[in-house]
Amino acid sequence: NAGVTQTPKFQVLKTGQSMTLQCAQDMNHNSMYWYRQDPGMGLRLIYYSASEGTTDKGEVPNGYNVSRLNKREFSLRLESAAPSQTSVYFCASTRDRSLAAEKLFFGSGTQLSVL
Amino acid sequence: AQKVTQAQTEISVVEKEDVTLDCVYETRDTTYYLFWYKQPPSGELVFLIRRNSFDEQNEISGRYSWNFQKSTSSFNFTITASQVVDSAVYFCALSEASTSYGKLTFGQGTILTVHP
Repeated sequence: NAGVTQTPKFQVLKTGQSMTLQCAQDMNHNSMYWYRQDPGMGLRLIYYSASEGTTDKGEVPNGYNVSRLNKREFSLRLESAAPSQTSVYFCASTRDRSLAAEKLFFGSGTQLSVL
Repeated sequence: AQKVTQAQTEISVVEKEDVTLDCVYETRDTTYYLFWYKQPPSGELVFLIRRNSFDEQNEISGRYSWNFQKSTSSFNFTITASQVVDSAVYFCALSEASTSYGKLTFGQGTILTVHP
């Protein structure tokens, strides 16, 4: 089972460059999320999509945009990368928007370095 | 505001030792959920357990056990007879039922290294 698939796994950007992180899930989940993981800070929510056609800001949305392309796919875009965006990015999904009781299924992560 | 604190940044043990990972949380909600996730060296995050605020029964799953105490706002995780494969980063997380989208707040993580 593929679960949640993220691409690419590694990426190096120069300051000011743009890129899109791709995420797809094959579990027919309604809700999808983008987190970033930084040393000593755990995971922080960037954006989420409760259902197809909706997106909302999380805890740290500045510098990012998202697109819920369809039920399966949720992409994260950096329009003008900054060194502060160097991080490991995780996509996740849950069956239902009511995350209070639902466990997250995570992708394998994207390690992004901005020079 | 919800908050999760994992005070132990790194723990190092020798195989077969027991180890406890601490987790303290803050919330104003009466209904909430607590989670533990494991992140092995390969990088993906793996769900371990979910607990709701109304169920304080301790849980045991093989060598893993969890102790939930509302009186001290703690949800600690114990690995008995640790093994090298237990080496990972472990995250405790909290979700409040009142949040419109169920925001999951993670602790900082505890790096566990089990030496052979």
